[in-house]
Amino acid sequence: KQEVTQIPAALSVPEGENLVLNCSFTDSAIYNLQWFRQDPGKGLTSLLLIQSSQREQTSGRLNASLDKSSGRSTLYIAASQPGDSATYLCAVIQGGSEKLVFGKGTKLTVNP
Amino acid sequence: GAVVSQHPSRVICKSGTSVKIECRSLDFQATTMFWYRQFPKQSLMLMATSNEGSKATYEQGVEKDKFLINHASLTLSTLTVTSAHPEDSSFYICSTDRGNTGELFFGEGSRLTVL
Repeated sequence: KQEVTQIPAALSVPEGENLVLNCSFTDSAIYNLQWFRQDPGKGLTSLLLIQSSQREQTSGRLNASLDKSSGRSTLYIAASQPGDSATYLCAVIQGGSEKLVFGKGTKLTVNP
Repeated sequence: GAVVSQHPSRVICKSGTSVKIECRSLDFQATTMFWYRQFPKQSLMLMATSNEGSKATYEQGVEKDKFLINHASLTLSTLTVTSAHPEDSSFYICSTDRGNTGELFFGEGSRLTVL
């Protein structure tokens, strides 16, 4: 059974700092991995999608990497801003399945 | 712009009543729709998968008679919480994919509070 773990559960940083969020998964037979952002009381916003054949994806100040063999992904946020404060969720789709398995998320607070 | 529209965003109801949540795919056809539930400080949990024109597939532990899912058209799926109770209070989110990338798009979510 696939399990997704995110560390840390919460992170507080000053504005401008670069930071890394970690995600690990137990079964490396994934179809893809996706990073989401969730603001309180809101639905999820897709940030980055990495296919199993890819090693990283970039969008603006965000960079996500994938090391399928070791079951790890990282989300790098450069020059953090208070508007980046949210919960960041990592999720994988198992190969041969359409279902997403989510981690519990990392709650990020960027202090002005 | 939004890819998936979910309505209502918030609903408060009395115990024993039924609540319907709608999820619409905008400008594309959604053959499959996923329904998730999220309790406070918990991760999203898949409740069921709905396929247009056929019965939904429910995850273990989810009562199909309590959470009725209808996917009658390629752009609309509905989740009805029947005879709602306070323990059904939660955040319900729908999602679907577009294209063959496997990337999922989510509705804005519906916060259900059962008094």
